[in-house]
Amino acid sequence: DADVTQTPRNRITKTGKRIMLECSQTKGHDRMYWYRQDPGLGLRLIYYSFDVKDINKGEISDGYSVSRQAQAKFSLSLESAIPNQTALYFCATSDMEDEQYFGPGTRLTVT
Amino acid sequence: SQKIEQNSEALNIQEGKTATLTCNYTNYSPAYLQWYRQDPGRGPVFLLLIRENEKEKRKERLKVTFDTTLKQSLFHITASQPADSATYLCALEDDYKLSFGAGTTVTVRA
Repeated sequence: DADVTQTPRNRITKTGKRIMLECSQTKGHDRMYWYRQDPGLGLRLIYYSFDVKDINKGEISDGYSVSRQAQAKFSLSLESAIPNQTALYFCATSDMEDEQYFGPGTRLTVT
Repeated sequence: SQKIEQNSEALNIQEGKTATLTCNYTNYSPAYLQWYRQDPGRGPVFLLLIRENEKEKRKERLKVTFDTTLKQSLFHITASQPADSATYLCALEDDYKLSFGAGTTVTVRA
């Protein structure tokens, strides 16, 4: 089984809808991250959490919120989706400052 | 403002040659730097980490250098193979988290 899983893998939604992307990990890591990737812009950090009670905004948090339900689960919500949130979303985990392990990604399209 | 710049163009090389990728940064003081490989439609995969007090790191056919004076890291793939074709991302430590460059796409021709 994969160490980091993301659901759904693909999602098409309409402008104004609320959507949640979920991430689960079996690595036992405290640190979890949400990134979005757009062509030519690389990975940009949306939110990150260093433990269950810690939530921090990243570079591009506007329009997004997160919930850290447990050490293994970190969810990203788009409260009211807009077309420029169309992107590839990745969840990642790490143990302290070591390498990050990425999930397979969620391709989100907002029409 | 902070900036991470990788090779602006894709890199096309012949099998067996060495690919050299650059990562330059501005207004960062990273304690370490990491390199990742990303295949189309998939999540990045960690390759190497080099710390600020290390000049060079090797792993099999991969070599990374880190020059904090020049604010630059070089990533080398020696004896390249078609299976090395991918996008390579550099990532800098930034206040205990990572900031990523946009990546360089490498294509190795057989």
